[in-house]
Amino acid sequence: DGGITQSPKYLFRKEGQNVTLSCEQNLNHDAMYWYRQDPGQGLRLIYYSQIVNDFQKGDIAEGYSVSREKKESFPLTVTSAQKNPTAFYLCASKTGGNEQFFGPGTRLTVL
Amino acid sequence: KQEVTQIPAALSVPEGENLVLNCSFTDSAIYNLQWFRQDPGKGLTSLLLIQSSQREQTSGRLNASLDKSSGRSTLYIAASQPGDSATYLCAVRRGRDDKIIFGKGTRLHILP
Repeated sequence: DGGITQSPKYLFRKEGQNVTLSCEQNLNHDAMYWYRQDPGQGLRLIYYSQIVNDFQKGDIAEGYSVSREKKESFPLTVTSAQKNPTAFYLCASKTGGNEQFFGPGTRLTVL
Repeated sequence: KQEVTQIPAALSVPEGENLVLNCSFTDSAIYNLQWFRQDPGKGLTSLLLIQSSQREQTSGRLNASLDKSSGRSTLYIAASQPGDSATYLCAVRRGRDDKIIFGKGTRLHILP
């Protein structure tokens, strides 16, 4: 059953902690993306990767980091430098025909 | 800079009615346009993808049109059902490897 999985579904972080959100896809897609969704603000692009071992900053990359060591995996680390990390985080991948698909999301809350 | 607008932000419609959701974009030089559905607390589900060379796409009760010259797309939902209640987002891609730009969505509520 092909798709994009994100874990955990809910994540709680204390002030000053780094946390890593997992994103895995078995769709054999080259391009993967991380978005942040806040109420009333729409989706904002954090980082994206067109191919393994390569990634670029999106519109709001400050306080985040990513890696792309495997085609299937694109983890996002929310660092302590991110001042307002509470949000809904969505991972996506793109087909060769440029159709974008999304995972179920991770809701991060800072305690 | 490409901007995508969806008006209205929210819409309530009685069950059974046909309805149209609107999406406008400021730069007509797009590669494709995609419509998504998002249920509360969930990820986005792809509904329809329209390439720049196409005028419309259909899937079941959904029909999406694209008019690049006027910078507009519409999503037509026939015979609406309570299960259609969700937020609908449109997104445009400028080039093949470009990021997509999202509208803020229209929150649709179908009244039983």
